[in-house]
Amino acid sequence: DGGITQSPKYLFRKEGQNVTLSCEQNLNHDAMYWYRQDPGQGLRLIYYSQIVNDFQKGDIAEGYSVSREKKESFPLTVTSAQKNPTAFYLCASRQVGTWNGYTFGSGTRLTVV
Amino acid sequence: AQTVTQSQPEMSVQEAETVTLSCTYDTSESDYYLFWYKQPPSRQMILVIRQEAYKQQNATENRFSVNFQKAAKSFSLKISDSQLGDAAMYFCATSGTYKYIFGTGTRLKVLA
Repeated sequence: DGGITQSPKYLFRKEGQNVTLSCEQNLNHDAMYWYRQDPGQGLRLIYYSQIVNDFQKGDIAEGYSVSREKKESFPLTVTSAQKNPTAFYLCASRQVGTWNGYTFGSGTRLTVV
Repeated sequence: AQTVTQSQPEMSVQEAETVTLSCTYDTSESDYYLFWYKQPPSRQMILVIRQEAYKQQNATENRFSVNFQKAAKSFSLKISDSQLGDAAMYFCATSGTYKYIFGTGTRLKVLA
């Protein structure tokens, strides 16, 4: 079955380290998204990509970076510049030109230790 | 800019009863869609229902239905015959030009 795979499910980061969250989809979707979820704040957009080798900043891009070298992959790097990275991160994708809604991955819980 | 407001942080409903979750939105798009997503304790986001803004008829999916008031920019979700498995966070969302905008969510508790 097609879907989105996020890994790892849980991730621990030491202060000053960069970490990369993986997101892979086999739905042949054009667009991919990264959201951050904090209690009481809903889903906030970090980065999104409509096409390979192109991506745009969302509302809270500072301290994060992404790449889109392949259509099926959209990894998110949380850099040491992100002041408060502890959160739940969701990856999503959708087919441009349709209105079927996002398909979401199962998320990654990142904790700074 | 698009905004989505869910004014009820938490709601409770008795099993088998009906509950309505509220959502208001603002958008400058002339053609847009509205969505309700469910996030159970597993945290997997699940699409519950969607509404095309140009359609006046309210969408229905089994026990889930919406009350879409376009002029008032209101998009509420009604859950009939509530079940224990309906307990979750519910997020309202609207489609923007390239991305969806989400509300802050309503936590629904179902009482046995």
